[in-house]
Amino acid sequence: NAGVTQTPKFRVLKTGQSMTLLCAQDMNHEYMYWYRQDPGMGLRLIHYSVGEGTTAKGEVPDGYNVSRLKKQNFLLGLESAAPSQTSVYFCASSAITGDSYEQYFGPGTRLTVT
Amino acid sequence: DQQVKQNSPSLSVQEGRISILNCDYTNSMFDYFLWYKKYPAEGPTFLISISSIKDKNEDGRFTVFLNKSAKHLSLHIVPSQPGDSAVYFCAASVGSGSEKLVFGKGTKLTVNP
Repeated sequence: NAGVTQTPKFRVLKTGQSMTLLCAQDMNHEYMYWYRQDPGMGLRLIHYSVGEGTTAKGEVPDGYNVSRLKKQNFLLGLESAAPSQTSVYFCASSAITGDSYEQYFGPGTRLTVT
Repeated sequence: DQQVKQNSPSLSVQEGRISILNCDYTNSMFDYFLWYKKYPAEGPTFLISISSIKDKNEDGRFTVFLNKSAKHLSLHIVPSQPGDSAVYFCAASVGSGSEKLVFGKGTKLTVNP
């Protein structure tokens, strides 16, 4: 049981390049989330999904796209990377329990855009 | 508009003493609160939570207190250990069905031996 995994762990992009971050969870969770963490800013929600085939915007969605084609995977895409997207990206998942809002996080992807 | 606020960026305590981390919120619709711990180069890990219908939840050395009238919650760690040194995030949820969390900016706790 690996929990939540993210690939890659590190990436350096040039401005204008594109890339996709992959998140996978093996806990059969319905909900999945993408966050970014910047110094002094805490965790900010980019996009989230409440089930396979669904996506929704979070607090800071501009410049990102997501897809949830399979329940266990949640992809985050950057079509044209900008230096402002230099950040650490975390994926998380959670189950529908009705009385618990605990999210399980992956180890993060450190992205640098030059 | 910052809905969840952790006004102390850092806190330093001696091993064996109590650590108290504070969190304030502005949205009265929040009905569930969580604390996460984060070590460098790792993802946040869940620590403890509390529903808005309670005012206290305890789990070993960790206790969370909720004061709804003041829109304030706190995390107490007793006794503090060097391994508790990490960044602690407070988070809150409206429970709208998506289970979205709003996070504070975090407090870096350092426990000195």
